[in-house]
Amino acid sequence: GAGVSQSPRYKVAKRGQDVALRCDPISGHVSLFWYQQALGQGPEFLTYFQNEAQLDKSGLPSDRFFAERPEGSVSTLKIQRTQQEDSAVYLCASSTRSTGLETQYFGPGTRLLVL
Amino acid sequence: ELKVEQNPLFLSMQEGKNYTIYCNYSTTSDRLYWYRQDPGKSLESLFVLLSNGAVKQEGRLMASLDTKARLSTLHITAAVHDLSATYFCAVDKRYDNYQLIWGAGTKLIIKP
Repeated sequence: GAGVSQSPRYKVAKRGQDVALRCDPISGHVSLFWYQQALGQGPEFLTYFQNEAQLDKSGLPSDRFFAERPEGSVSTLKIQRTQQEDSAVYLCASSTRSTGLETQYFGPGTRLLVL
Repeated sequence: ELKVEQNPLFLSMQEGKNYTIYCNYSTTSDRLYWYRQDPGKSLESLFVLLSNGAVKQEGRLMASLDTKARLSTLHITAAVHDLSATYFCAVDKRYDNYQLIWGAGTKLIIKP
């Protein structure tokens, strides 16, 4: 079946612009995660949804970052007034939480460059 | 605070050789994961290790977990070029088990 998909794959924004990044998780997956991956680093947790509920947003770096999953499937990560330090790859992952094995399946990521 | 450290961060090796990547973590965790990432690609799940002494093998890769030492190893046997990638380990935050804490990754280059 289809894996996790993300769009756009690449985004170039001018500093101060707002951007919206989309994630389509694997169908039926209850849990959805957003991570930020800087060049040469491991991913860092941003936020977590269980169905439509955002249970943890402790990793969001500032109030310019906002995520939603209104119907418990597709999620959008929005960054307002982008800054150069926001440049990174934004990864989305989903998991079933049905077996106790918390393997997260990752999308290809959105590479954001803020100029 | 849970921290995850991998070493080495960069490894260049010849085909046919064996080598081990190490993953240390700082506090008790329920599960440890190994992922592979090819350049410009997504993260691919390799192994999930659930308990002390767990060992899993897939092809030329074998992962093990020692929860007492808070150490996992990823062993590569008779390396081939196709295994060139960056390998990440990640651990659950215990009692907070939906969040993964990641190592910085080990970039592995296997030369023919």
